[in-house]
Amino acid sequence: QKEVEQDPGPLSVPEGAIVSLNCTYSNSAFQYFMWYRQYSRKGPELLMYTYSSGNKEDGRFTAQVDKSSKYISLFIRDSQPSDSATYLCAMSVTDKLIFGTGTRLQVFP
Amino acid sequence: DADVTQTPRNRITKTGKRIMLECSQTKGHDRMYWYRQDPGLGLRLIYYSFDVKDINKGEISDGYSVSRQAQAKFSLSLESAIPNQTALYFCATSEVRGGRETQYFGPGTRLLVL
Repeated sequence: QKEVEQDPGPLSVPEGAIVSLNCTYSNSAFQYFMWYRQYSRKGPELLMYTYSSGNKEDGRFTAQVDKSSKYISLFIRDSQPSDSATYLCAMSVTDKLIFGTGTRLQVFP
Repeated sequence: DADVTQTPRNRITKTGKRIMLECSQTKGHDRMYWYRQDPGLGLRLIYYSFDVKDINKGEISDGYSVSRQAQAKFSLSLESAIPNQTALYFCATSEVRGGRETQYFGPGTRLLVL
């Protein structure tokens, strides 16, 4: 079993939709939870991070962590075509950082 | 200028050839990493280095070697390239603040081994 599981998609939604991206994990020692965004032909870049259960909001993006269920989510409100990218979850403990496989998102006008 | 640069951006080579991918950073970070990215497999760690004298294998180091020439430079070599090493390769640096590590990625090198 992989330490981090992520649905690869692709996920195709109309502009303005609410998008939910999810990851599950098996290692209860993970302390920090991150979402990276990767545009086509670019390297991943950090979008959001959180370290506790609950929600963290940044503009149209909300990161949610449920440590009891070992489940994290990224919600995108009012999705835009510019949000079209691959979204990778990542989790860390001490010096170990594990990435999910990424979910490809396409937002069409 | 980009903080993490990779050269070349694209490379086509033949089976059996030795090639080197180079990475430079201006972020002043001690930690540097090499990953490969394949469809459906995500990012897999090849090698990492926490400072100039420190080199560590990642989960898929076979067939690869690295050199940390300076704090700012970390090179990845394929000793004898094979077709299943065709992939997108990323270099990254990282900083740790308050126990949280943030990685910063270069633009990637697209490698095709024929």
